[in-house]
Amino acid sequence: AQSVTQLDSQVPVFEEAPVELRCNYSSSVSVYLFWYVQYPNQGLQLLLKYLSGSTLVKGINGFEAEFNKSQTSFHLRKPSVHISDTAEYFCASNNAGNMLTFGGGTRLMVKP
Amino acid sequence: DAMVIQNPRYQVTQFGKPVTLSCSQTLNHNVMYWYQQKSSQAPKLLFHYYDKDFNNEADTPDNFQSRRPNTSFCFLDIRSPGLGDAAMYLCATSRGNVVAETQYFGPGTRLLVL
Repeated sequence: AQSVTQLDSQVPVFEEAPVELRCNYSSSVSVYLFWYVQYPNQGLQLLLKYLSGSTLVKGINGFEAEFNKSQTSFHLRKPSVHISDTAEYFCASNNAGNMLTFGGGTRLMVKP
Repeated sequence: DAMVIQNPRYQVTQFGKPVTLSCSQTLNHNVMYWYQQKSSQAPKLLFHYYDKDFNNEADTPDNFQSRRPNTSFCFLDIRSPGLGDAAMYLCATSRGNVVAETQYFGPGTRLLVL
């Protein structure tokens, strides 16, 4: 069985500062990894996904994530955050059909 | 714009009174999913349709049913809502069920049970 762990439930950060949201996965087989963002009272929007190839994945809104197989991690980063980045971020994986397994989510709070 | 639409955005129902949530899509995708998301938790898959083939998750309560009359529409029926069923319900679609295919989410319907 696969699982996804997001180590931080909340991450406060000041505007224009860098941020890293941590995600670890466990899977005995090949895994595909995703980051979704959820703004208040909205559905989930795909930020980026890792399927294979380059371990550094670039997504929308200036976010990127790095797949690290040895550390079983897929951390999300942004060099300079904006107030508008305040949202809930979910890491997810799948390896069977197209069923997603989500982590518990990290609330990013960007302060002025 | 092609999209996933959920109506209503907010639904209030009474304890034990059946309620139906609806989802429609203009993406012409084969797969439609229903997730339940309780406050401050991750979305949890309830079931999905591949075309007309219904796939129920093992731990989805019998109280939850779904219908997909055509490609565009999918409904979530809660036969006897309890207080614990208050949540955001998210509909999603994907073109197929090939692994790692992107799922597109609707804005969700927030259900309140009184």
